[in-house]
Amino acid sequence: EPEVTQTPSHQVTQMGQEVILRCVPISNHLYFYWYRQILGQKVEFLVSFYNNEISEKSEIFDDQFSVERPDGSNFTLKIRSTKLEDSAMYFCASRSDSYEQYFGPGTRLTVT
Amino acid sequence: GESVGLHLPTLSVQEGDNSIINCAYSNSASDYFIWYKQESGKGPQFIIDIRSNMDKRQGQRVTVLLNKTVKHLSLQIAATQPGDSAVYFCAEKPHGTSYGKLTFGQGTILTVHP
Repeated sequence: EPEVTQTPSHQVTQMGQEVILRCVPISNHLYFYWYRQILGQKVEFLVSFYNNEISEKSEIFDDQFSVERPDGSNFTLKIRSTKLEDSAMYFCASRSDSYEQYFGPGTRLTVT
Repeated sequence: GESVGLHLPTLSVQEGDNSIINCAYSNSASDYFIWYKQESGKGPQFIIDIRSNMDKRQGQRVTVLLNKTVKHLSLQIAATQPGDSAVYFCAEKPHGTSYGKLTFGQGTILTVHP
């Protein structure tokens, strides 16, 4: 069964550094998403991406965040200057025309 | 004060019992609801969804009930198995937003004892 993959599984970075989290959505999917889950908290929507542009974003997704689909397979989330409060589990998800989203296993980001 | 994390409700059942997990949603304008299962160390996994023009939907061993009057959603799992042990949470989509812009609930920890 096709699945969403994410790399790395765990990223440790120092405050102020840039990080890029990578996702490979399911190949025929059209809609792509990033969510985050701070330890012990709810899952939170960050951004949705369709047709090579952001379709919606949350208040969390400020100028420090950006997304890109650099080729036909990868979907990346960049955080330009990480803060301690960016430490969280980041999930990528994708879907086709159906409403069912498929989530990746997540990248645990630890900012020290 | 600073939030130190959620204290999730828990539900413990014996293998073979039926489980009912509840969710109170916040937005009366939400038009789409989803139940997810999240196992330790994994991403959320879609279980079943329901649109606001329905009050019940059945899947394999699962049933979702929607009561819009009291903004309540429930997930019923029949013949619960140890592999069903996970955190379950609901999500809602407000009318007029995209299908990914979901608001997630806090979750319920389901533990199934053999």
